[in-house]
Amino acid sequence: GAGVSQSPRYKVAKRGQDVALRCDPISGHVSLFWYQQALGQGPEFLTYFQNEAQLDKSGLPSDRFFAERPEGSVSTLKIQRTQQEDSAVYLCASSPRRIQGEAFFGQGTRLTVV
Amino acid sequence: TQLLEQSPQFLSIQEGENLTVYCNSSSVFSSLQWYRQEPGEGPVLLVTVVTGGEVKKLKRLTFQFGDARKDSSLHITAAQTGDTGLYLCAGLSNSGYALNFGKGTSLLVTP
Repeated sequence: GAGVSQSPRYKVAKRGQDVALRCDPISGHVSLFWYQQALGQGPEFLTYFQNEAQLDKSGLPSDRFFAERPEGSVSTLKIQRTQQEDSAVYLCASSPRRIQGEAFFGQGTRLTVV
Repeated sequence: TQLLEQSPQFLSIQEGENLTVYCNSSSVFSSLQWYRQEPGEGPVLLVTVVTGGEVKKLKRLTFQFGDARKDSSLHITAAQTGDTGLYLCAGLSNSGYALNFGKGTSLLVTP
């Protein structure tokens, strides 16, 4: 596609439910990033993939958060046993280079945990 | 963590006015980026500044990188309603790949 695509755009989950958020990066982009953006805040780094390798997951808030990019293209961010504090917009970004240059962001998935 | 502080947090002005927003840090950054984010959308890159003292212009937007590469400013001349949005500055972290974002300046331009 022409840009980074994320799905679903909106997700409402009951507390304790597992969710999976999908990111389709721009074709051929080597780097893929996940960020979390709370209301009224700037995005915060969660994790980074270079092709299929997860090189940095230091920003993941807890072991309930898991991300994968098995074939070096589509990525999934999974949150187990969701809690209210997980409510945020989850942004995916991709970049054609191995280091952060221009990052192309998707529209994000707004997760609301009730 | 290299913190970026943005000011003001909110700004409401009328069309035609000029404004400046600031991005400050105690840390040195190899580069800083400015993004604009509209409601329900992801951030869109406006500019990257790399060299201390650098000034870049994008139509009515002027970006400046401080001499010490610790701060940056964005000046908008003759604001238009289409300039409304959240302006975020971001610096490349020590990792070399992740961005540290400020909290942003929310700009509202009214007719």
